Amino acid sequence: NAGVTQTPKFQVLKTGQSMTLQCAQDMNHNSMYWYRQDPGMGLRLIYYSASEGTTDKGEVPNGYNVSRLNKREFSLRLESAAPSQTSVYFCASSAGLGTGKETQYFGPGTRLLVL
Amino acid sequence: KQEVTQIPAALSVPEGENLVLNCSFTDSAIYNLQWFRQDPGKGLTSLLLIQSSQREQTSGRLNASLDKSSGRSTLYIAASQPGDSATYLCAAHGSSNTGKLIFGQGTTLQVKP
Repeated sequence: NAGVTQTPKFQVLKTGQSMTLQCAQDMNHNSMYWYRQDPGMGLRLIYYSASEGTTDKGEVPNGYNVSRLNKREFSLRLESAAPSQTSVYFCASSAGLGTGKETQYFGPGTRLLVL
Repeated sequence: KQEVTQIPAALSVPEGENLVLNCSFTDSAIYNLQWFRQDPGKGLTSLLLIQSSQREQTSGRLNASLDKSSGRSTLYIAASQPGDSATYLCAAHGSSNTGKLIFGQGTTLQVKP
């Protein structure tokens, strides 16, 4: 099992460009999450999907959109990138609440630089 | 609003020492608390998850405790090794019906040979 995979690993964008970060998990998990990690700010939740067909905002959703394409895939889109979105982005998944298996499993991250 | 704090931000110990990492949270109504490890340039690896009804969890040389009444969790590492060098993050899962985790800033541990 690959666990949680993310593409791309690195990306450089110019201000105003758009891009989509891809995430997939092969653990048959119900819940998926997108975080960003910034020095001095720690990890913050951007959006999450508690189950297939649902998405909700986290702490810092402005400037982002998400799509839960199916149970395996959860993508994060930047419509018009800004330098403030320079960060490391992590996708995570978990079996879901009430399962007794709420451990979140993280992907390797996408490093994004917006110039 | 839940806030999670980890002190100290950095810790350096000689190999073989037993050590304790601290995590405090402001809202005791948590669903669970998770400890993660992050190596430089890598993603997070889950170490231990403690449900709100539990007092501690153990995995190998690691033992995590939870005291909801005082808003504290500790991660005990026995007989530390250079391979334990990493950043350790704790995260509180709130009591709502979501999977939202609130992370601390982490403690960066260096174990010297």
